[in-house]
Amino acid sequence: QKEVEQNSGPLSVPEGAIASLNCTYSDRGSQSFFWYRQYSGKSPELIMFIYSNGDKEDGRFTAQLNKASQYVSLLIRDSQPSDSATYLCAVNVRGTYKYIFGTGTRLKVLA
Amino acid sequence: NAGVTQTPKFRILKIGQSMTLQCTQDMNHNYMYWYRQDPGMGLKLIYYSVGAGITDKGEVPNGYNVSRSTTEDFPLRLELAAPSQTSVYFCASSYHETAGNTIYFGEGSWLTVV
Repeated sequence: QKEVEQNSGPLSVPEGAIASLNCTYSDRGSQSFFWYRQYSGKSPELIMFIYSNGDKEDGRFTAQLNKASQYVSLLIRDSQPSDSATYLCAVNVRGTYKYIFGTGTRLKVLA
Repeated sequence: NAGVTQTPKFRILKIGQSMTLQCTQDMNHNYMYWYRQDPGMGLKLIYYSVGAGITDKGEVPNGYNVSRSTTEDFPLRLELAAPSQTSVYFCASSYHETAGNTIYFGEGSWLTVV
């Protein structure tokens, strides 16, 4: 089992819809979780992070964390064509300062 | 703000050649990282450093070396380049008082080994 798993996609949603991106992780002791957006040919940029169970909202983005089920998700409301990118989930390895990344989910928002 | 700066941005190497990817950050971050990203794949940790003089291996360290003589700089050395090292390399940094802080990436270095 990979440490951090994501569906590679592409996930296609119409403009204005909600995009839902999911990530599962294997280390039950992981404590911090990050979502990065990466445009083609560019470096990853942080969207948001979450440490506690439940939801965390930032503008059109909501991160959801369920430690019991070991998954973290990212919801993008009112999706825009500019949201088309690859979304990377990252998990902080328990007891270390290492971050393990998933392979990313490619999102396409159709105008 | 410069943030994390990597050089060169593009490089073509011949098999067996060596080179150093430079990385510097001006945010006084104590932690620095080197990742590689193959096409359509996620980021794999090569090496990381928790401070000047301290480095440790990540997931895919073979064929690479690092050093951290200052807080600002974290060069990545490729010895005897192989086609399997063709990839995009990202340097990153973060500031930690406790584990779990955000990491910030440089713009990437595209390396092709032929």
